Parts: sequence; structure tokens; C-alpha cells
Amino acid sequence: DSGVTQTPKHLITATGQRVTLRCSPRSGDLSVYWYQQSLDQGLQFLIQYYNGEERAKGNILERFSAQQFPDLHSELNLSSLELGDSALYFCASSVDPGINSPLHFGNGTRLTVT
Amino acid sequence: GQQLNQSPQSMFIQEGEDVSMNCTSSSIFNTWLWYKQDPGEGPVLLIALYKAGELTSNGRLTAQFGITRKDSFLNISASIPSDVGIYFCAGQLHSGAGSYQLTFGKGTKLSVIP
Repeated sequence: DSGVTQTPKHLITATGQRVTLRCSPRSGDLSVYWYQQSLDQGLQFLIQYYNGEERAKGNILERFSAQQFPDLHSELNLSSLELGDSALYFCASSVDPGINSPLHFGNGTRLTVT
Repeated sequence: GQQLNQSPQSMFIQEGEDVSMNCTSSSIFNTWLWYKQDPGEGPVLLIALYKAGELTSNGRLTAQFGITRKDSFLNISASIPSDVGIYFCAGQLHSGAGSYQLTFGKGTKLSVIP
């Protein structure tokens, strides 16, 4: 158990809808990362937060947004969903954004858009 | 963005055999990490490498950070059935604002034949 908690485990929704994925980082970790994993693309970095502030952005669509709250949990919001958004979404956390602070991953949320 | 070439894409081996996989990049990385992902779960950190030339072991696993900082390999000795899974390499690079981004390879799917 990595200590990173993601909910829900599975989500099935229709195109055009909006969903929210939730992540609680490991105790003591201040930095949260979101990754998308699809079959043909591997793990793609979406966005990173550190202590409530956005630190880095990857290949995140404009339809997607995220935030990290004062209690350090994070939410990833996906809107106007398309079939191609179906994927596993992972949250990871680390103590800080520094180089000697490896990422620990949750077990992901599997999103299916129908 | 940075690209990591991970090989082989998949491999089938006999239980007891040794396994070797590697990652190469055209970019220099500050850190190399190796993760293993089991079905339905998130990637689990196996080994972290922080210095060029560093050789680190974790049980039957050994990984090295290439001297050029553009490659890394992972060896698994005397494979067992529970080694089955997808192994990912990841390179970490400074992305500004005191943050380090992690780029993942596409994974090596390992199957062990008892």
C-alpha cells in the first residue's frame, strides 16, 4: 500500500458529462501529481501541485482542471468528456517537488466514457 | 518533450532465468526511477538512481544510471512468477520553479513461464 488514496476506483459516464476524481496524498507529502494512462500512450503527465499551488503542467487538456486544497487532497475535474478520455487516471505524491523525492502512486481511477 | 525509449516492449522468460531491460533517451536526466505495475494497481517504485554511474540493488533487482545520464538498465535475477507485470523506467528532469518532471517509458511487459 503506497499510502496514496484515490476515489472512486471506477467511473462510467456518458460523453459530454463532467466528473471529479479525488486523491489523498501520503501523510507528510506536500506535492501531488496527476497522470493519465491509456493503452497506447503510456503514463502521461498532466499537472503537479505543491502545497496548494500549481507547479508544473504537462499535456493537460483545457477541458481538464485540477486543484489542491488546504488539507493537501487534490481533485481532477474532467468536463465535456469524450470517448478518448477513457483511461486510467493516477494520482501520485511526493514529499516535495525536489529531485530526491520519488513519486508514490495510488491505484488509480478507471474512467470509461460511453 | 523528452522521450524515453524502453526495450524490449515485452518478453517471455522461463522461471529462474535472468531478465534485462533498458531505457535510452536523447535527453540528459537528473534521476532515473524504475517502477513495476501489476494489473489493476498503480506503479510501485522499485529503485531510484540519483548519480551518473550509480549501481543500486534491491533484492534480486539491480539497476544502473548510465554514465552519459541518457540511459538506465534494470536486471532481475532468478525470475519468479510474481515478477510478472509491466516495468516502467522514468527519467526526472528539472522543469523550472524548483520542480522536477517525470517522464515515463512505455513499459516492458514481463511474462514468466513456470
